[in-house]
Amino acid sequence: GENVEQHPSTLSVQEGDSAVIKCTYSDSASNYFPWYKQELGKGPQLIIDIRSNVGEKKDQRIAVTLNKTAKHFSLHITETQPEDSAVYFCAASRRTGNQFYFGTGTSLTVIP
Amino acid sequence: DAGVIQSPRHEVTEMGQEVTLRCKPISGHDYLFWYRQTMMRGLELLIYFNNNVPIDDSGMPEDRFSAKMPNASFSTLKIQPSEPRDSAVYFCASRYSGGNYEQYFGPGTRLTVT
Repeated sequence: GENVEQHPSTLSVQEGDSAVIKCTYSDSASNYFPWYKQELGKGPQLIIDIRSNVGEKKDQRIAVTLNKTAKHFSLHITETQPEDSAVYFCAASRRTGNQFYFGTGTSLTVIP
Repeated sequence: DAGVIQSPRHEVTEMGQEVTLRCKPISGHDYLFWYRQTMMRGLELLIYFNNNVPIDDSGMPEDRFSAKMPNASFSTLKIQPSEPRDSAVYFCASRYSGGNYEQYFGPGTRLTVT
């Protein structure tokens, strides 16, 4: 099966700085890579996703890059704000979009 | 839309008792997923349904766990008998096959088995 590794497990940045979270996956058949944000006491919420036919996708301050050859993808958050503080999960999935394999999460703290 | 609804939000029970977790998916969604989240194992898919039919239950840890979806707007996850190692946050998620692959998660049920 798929194995998704995520680093770092914790990340602290100053407000306004950038944050980068990296994930690797093992199954070359995976072609859908979502990123979820989980705030305390809430369920994960999709913030951005990318499919294997593109290398980069951006949505305002958030961007995701994908390198299929190396089997890794990254989340980039620019101009971080305190409300970005949360746990972020990457995931990988085959085309069905049903069996998501999640990374172990990154706890991001943005220091005001 | 109210989103995915789960109940109860918190459940504390004693070892050996039966526990039933409930989920109402987003109206119109035809896939429903049950996940378990622990510090040790992260987010794990337990089982998922398509049009109320269980498709893959390979993540269900043991026979003590069972899930049902009697209709499109309701699903249950039952643990009988419960054990302390079942303590976790259980999430329900749903998605619509005609949309993108996004799964919409509920707020979760925090289960503590003493």
